[in-house]
Amino acid sequence: DTGVSQNPRHKITKRGQNVTFRCDPISEHNRLYWYRQTLGQGPEFLTYFQNEAQLEKSRLLSDRFSAERPKGSFSTLEIQRTEQGDSAMYLCASSRTVAGDSPLHFGNGTRLTVT
Amino acid sequence: GENVEQHPSTLSVQEGDSAVIKCTYSDSASNYFPWYKQELGKGPQLIIDIRSNVGEKKDQRIAVTLNKTAKHFSLHITETQPEDSAVYFCAATETSYDKVIFGPGTSLSVIP
Repeated sequence: DTGVSQNPRHKITKRGQNVTFRCDPISEHNRLYWYRQTLGQGPEFLTYFQNEAQLEKSRLLSDRFSAERPKGSFSTLEIQRTEQGDSAMYLCASSRTVAGDSPLHFGNGTRLTVT
Repeated sequence: GENVEQHPSTLSVQEGDSAVIKCTYSDSASNYFPWYKQELGKGPQLIIDIRSNVGEKKDQRIAVTLNKTAKHFSLHITETQPEDSAVYFCAATETSYDKVIFGPGTSLSVIP
């Protein structure tokens, strides 16, 4: 179990630029989740995948956000035309089965700062 | 949808004392309640969880209690140590759901 890996750890970008984050889940986990965490708040659900299928997207995920999980392995989260309000920690988690039945394993996140 | 509230938002205790964090949830269908610990610069890490068919669960210095009727659940840490200092999150979901809803967190400081 090598854990969930996220890259980059930090990203500073100018407003209006596009950014992409990568998440490598634990290898045998078929579920992958993206959460967003702002200072002093708990993680907020954004979206999740079962293998390569994206099964649910939160209302928080505007059309500027897109996530993919090609071949059911790693996942990418892209934010287009970034805004200052997008500044947050983006957390990825994976689980072996449905999250209500097996625990979420989180990565250490990508901290995005939009200037 | 599910809403999870958590109190207090900050908690400071002397080393060796106990700490209690309380949460409430809104969805009566929720039946799985994990607790996560987040240290600075790291992602949340599961420390204990409880399912609705159990009223209490203990793991060394950590215990969780659940009152399904009142929709309350609590985390109890005994004999606190400085390394317990972190942010703690309660969460709730239903067994067949994939969306885990987190509370806003409690920042625990253990003073040596």
